[in-house]
Amino acid sequence: EAQVTQNPRYLITVTGKKLTVTCSQNMNHEYMSWYRQDPGLGLRQIYYSMNVEVTDKGDVPEGYKVSRKEKRNFPLILESPSPNQTSLYFCASSLDLLSSYNSPLHFGNGTRLTVT
Amino acid sequence: DQQVKQNSPSLSVQEGRISILNCDYTNSMFDYFLWYKKYPAEGPTFLISISSIKDKNEDGRFTVFLNKSAKHLSLHIVPSQPGDSAVYFCAAPYNTDKLIFGTGTRLQVFP
Repeated sequence: EAQVTQNPRYLITVTGKKLTVTCSQNMNHEYMSWYRQDPGLGLRQIYYSMNVEVTDKGDVPEGYKVSRKEKRNFPLILESPSPNQTSLYFCASSLDLLSSYNSPLHFGNGTRLTVT
Repeated sequence: DQQVKQNSPSLSVQEGRISILNCDYTNSMFDYFLWYKKYPAEGPTFLISISSIKDKNEDGRFTVFLNKSAKHLSLHIVPSQPGDSAVYFCAAPYNTDKLIFGTGTRLQVFP
């Protein structure tokens, strides 16, 4: 089954404790991206990757890191989480760089993070 | 700068009636637009798209209309069903780097 898999689904942590949210896709997609969803703000892009070893900042990259060592994996790293990073996070992938409406984003089921 | 806007945070419609969800945008260079549907505890899923060179695209009960002069698009669901109850996001691609999403409209279809 073609899918984007995120883990964990739920995470509660304390300020400053490093964490990683994993993301993996099995569709051989080149493009991957992380979004966060907050009430009244919709989905905002954190980081994206055009291909292996190519990553770039989105609209809200502060406090986050990513890596793309393999095509299928795109982990999101919070080196020192803070309460304002409490949010619902989505990983997504697409076949080719969003150049066509025939290549929509496929999303994972989300990770709800709470930082206390 | 919210380039894609959904001004109605919620909409309630009776089963069998038409649901109309609206979206406005500011960037006339968007090549296409998409609608995503999101159920609780799930990620958004692609619903329907429309190219900027068209003014209508239909897929079963779902039709998207694009009015370029007004920079407005709308999603029509006819007839509405309880299973359509979800949050709907409109989105547009920016520079092939990202999709810009609206803030979403929560649709509730009641019997």
